[in-house]
Amino acid sequence: AQSVTQLDSHVSVSEGTPVLLRCNYSSSYSPSLFWYVQHPNKGLQLLLKYTSAATLVKGINGFEAEFKKSETSFHLTKPSAHMSDAAEYFCVVSESEYSTLTFGKGTMLLVSP
Amino acid sequence: DTGVSQDPRHKITKRGQNVTFRCDPISEHNRLYWYRQTLGQGPEFLTYFQNEAQLEKSRLLSDRFSAERPKGSFSTLEIQRTEQGDSAMYLCASSLKVVGETPEAFFGQGTRLTVV
Repeated sequence: AQSVTQLDSHVSVSEGTPVLLRCNYSSSYSPSLFWYVQHPNKGLQLLLKYTSAATLVKGINGFEAEFKKSETSFHLTKPSAHMSDAAEYFCVVSESEYSTLTFGKGTMLLVSP
Repeated sequence: DTGVSQDPRHKITKRGQNVTFRCDPISEHNRLYWYRQTLGQGPEFLTYFQNEAQLEKSRLLSDRFSAERPKGSFSTLEIQRTEQGDSAMYLCASSLKVVGETPEAFFGQGTRLTVV
């Protein structure tokens, strides 16, 4: 069975400092992995997607994530946080093209001036 | 806007009443998903359709819940005899499934249900 663990429920950073949101996954197959962002009163938006091509995936708004099979991790990073990055972030796994998406519990990113 | 559309955005109902939500997917998308999200949790899978066929249902989907996707276009999710525990955000998503690929899902803004 597929599952995702987001290691931090909240992460606080200052504007201009790096962001690291941690995600570990469990899957019986070679999974696809996603990061979604949810701003208040907005729908879930796809940030980036890994599907067994390059292990370093670049997404929108300067975010990127690295797939590490040996560590079963898919951490999300950004070199410099912006106030507009404050939102909830979800790591998502799908272990095959026939599987649905399984979400983590989310990490709330707080950005202070 | 050609994104996923959900209606209504908010619904307040009395316990025991029936409610129905509608989702209009992105027009060329063949898959449609329903998820439920409660406060502080990630979305949880309820059910999904490929075209008009309902392919999978979660154990979360009790007998009071029913979903349809007639003609493979829009979908409805009905909850009968609502309970306070049904209060949540109900999310719809759609994707274009092609052989050999895991599709990315595009989400609507959700329907927030409050059962009083």
